[in-house]
Amino acid sequence: QITLKESGPTLVKPTQTLTLTCTFSGFSLSTNGVGVGWIRQPPGKALEWLAVIYWDDDKRYSPSLKSRLTITKDTSKNQVVLTMTNMDPVDTATFYCAHSSLLGVKGAFDIWGQGTMVTVSS
Amino acid sequence: DIQMTQSPSSLSASVGDRVTITCRASQSISTYLHWYQQKPGKAPKLLIYAASSLQSGVPSRFSGSGSGTDFTLTISSLQPEDFATYYCQQTSTTPRTFGQGTNVEIK
Repeated sequence: QITLKESGPTLVKPTQTLTLTCTFSGFSLSTNGVGVGWIRQPPGKALEWLAVIYWDDDKRYSPSLKSRLTITKDTSKNQVVLTMTNMDPVDTATFYCAHSSLLGVKGAFDIWGQGTMVTVSS
Repeated sequence: DIQMTQSPSSLSASVGDRVTITCRASQSISTYLHWYQQKPGKAPKLLIYAASSLQSGVPSRFSGSGSGTDFTLTISSLQPEDFATYYCQQTSTTPRTFGQGTNVEIK
């Protein structure tokens, strides 16, 4: 059974760097075709794709946020970390991590974490 | 970036109704199109992947079709648990954009 869980601060100040960790089980991020992505959702708004990292360490970022985002993986710990620099109140959102497979579901996110709400405020 | 446009943005329907939601891509994405359902306060759930493949465990009243730029999600007979927001997403190119969502409400 695949599970993912996001962890990190619930409150960050403007200009600070946000670091979120996705801890997963039930799959390996060294398996061919597997990826873990991050998606955010501001309150009452639509989903926004942020980044994804694949088994071969290929990393893809949202162009509009690329300068602020870094995604890394620790295969031995079953974790994926997303950092977002220079946080602003408009970045307030629920952040989700999710499992993806290029081979099985053509890159869709088939299993999601519960999400973690991050508020940016001084 | 490929833009994903869903229509309608919201709709009201009754239990038992047939509901169709459309998603249009700004350029061809083959069948790299997926549909999600999200209920308030919950994470999205994958319903349909690769335009028309039903995700395991999803009721057969959900179906998807299309290729290229035009796609549809159909609920053949709306059930009380189907009232939710539905999103399409393309994974043909980066960024893997989502549509703006379609809110299905009770009539």
